[in-house]
Amino acid sequence: KQEVTQIPAALSVPEGENLVLNCSFTDSAIYNLQWFRQDPGKGLTSLLLIQSSQREQTSGRLNASLDKSSGRSTLYIAASQPGDSATYLCAVHPPEGYNKLIFGAGTRLAVHP
Amino acid sequence: DAGVIQSPRHEVTEMGQEVTLRCKPISGHNSLFWYRQTMMRGLELLIYFNNNVPIDDSGMPEDRFSAKMPNASFSTLKIQPSEPRDSAVYFCASSFNGVLYGYTFGSGTRLTVV
Repeated sequence: KQEVTQIPAALSVPEGENLVLNCSFTDSAIYNLQWFRQDPGKGLTSLLLIQSSQREQTSGRLNASLDKSSGRSTLYIAASQPGDSATYLCAVHPPEGYNKLIFGAGTRLAVHP
Repeated sequence: DAGVIQSPRHEVTEMGQEVTLRCKPISGHNSLFWYRQTMMRGLELLIYFNNNVPIDDSGMPEDRFSAKMPNASFSTLKIQPSEPRDSAVYFCASSFNGVLYGYTFGSGTRLTVV
């Protein structure tokens, strides 16, 4: 059974720091991995989608990498800002259960001025 | 595009009452998903539809839960009768080929059953 783990569960940093959020999954057989952001009381906003054949994706200050063989993904946030404060969730798309995303519990990030 | 639209945003109801949550997916998306989010269990897939047909409802917790998708632009999730343990945030998501393009989530309905 596929399980997704995110470390750390919570992170508090001063503005301007470069951050790394970690996501690990137990079964390397995945179609893709997606990073989401969730603001308090809000829905999920898709940040980056990495296909199983890709190594990384970049969007602005965000860079996500994928190492399927080791079951790991990292989300790198450069020059963090208070507006980056949110919960970051990763989800994998396993081959069985074609449309079932398996989510991690998330990393709650607080960036203070 | 207005994105995935859910209503109501908040619902407070008494135990035993019927609750209906609504979702309008993004136009052109052919798959629709209902998720439930709680502190204890995180995000759980309840059911998903492909081309308006329910494909997998194995995540629906009990017979008290039912979902319908009468057409490509509308879906409902009904709980009857509701119980306090159903209190959670319910999200609807839609996709067009989720493997290639990922998923878009609505803002959710926060349900409180007292």
